[in-house]
Amino acid sequence: DVKVTQSSRYLVKRTGEKVFLECVQDMDHENMFWYRQDPGLGLRLIYFSYDVKMKEKGDIPEGYSVSREKKERFSLILESASTNQTSMYLCASSLLAGFSYNEQFFGPGTRLTVL
Amino acid sequence: AQTVTQSQPEMSVQEAETVTLSCTYDTSESDYYLFWYKQPPSRQMILVIRQEAYKQQNATENRFSVNFQKAAKSFSLKISDSQLGDAAMYFCAYSGNQFYFGTGTSLTVIP
Repeated sequence: DVKVTQSSRYLVKRTGEKVFLECVQDMDHENMFWYRQDPGLGLRLIYFSYDVKMKEKGDIPEGYSVSREKKERFSLILESASTNQTSMYLCASSLLAGFSYNEQFFGPGTRLTVL
Repeated sequence: AQTVTQSQPEMSVQEAETVTLSCTYDTSESDYYLFWYKQPPSRQMILVIRQEAYKQQNATENRFSVNFQKAAKSFSLKISDSQLGDAAMYFCAYSGNQFYFGTGTSLTVIP
């Protein structure tokens, strides 16, 4: 079974702090994704990566950056956290590059609160 | 731009009954895939069922089936013999040049 893990289930940070959210997948998947989930808005894509050191902006990249130094690990970085970044963050991975038939496998999510 | 619309924020169903969750999408692409994902409370999102747009036959997975109407751009999920464990948020998703999720439908199963 594919396993996607995220470094924290719950995180509380202060405004202005730099925040790192880590995601690791164990099935050698090409694609990795970061989403933000808010009530009434569904899942919105922040960034995705289809290969090591490659990244593409999603729908809401402002205020976020990402890093993929190794195939299995995809990090989401909030350079200077703000209260409007309080949300649930979901990481996902899929087998092949590009969007396709391949389902996405999700991590358990990190609920981030910025005070 | 592709969009996915779930017009029912909340639905409820009696245990053992059947419920249908609606999803419509907008696209100019001819080749794409559609998915339904389930997110139980405080648990990970999992795939329920997928449909390839070029296939006319509706996908079925045990108690879960879809009604895929390509011309109408409609992709509804039918859950038969509803069980308490079906209670969750359900998301419709589109995969073409990009991946889009709907806003979700929260399903309550009444014992």
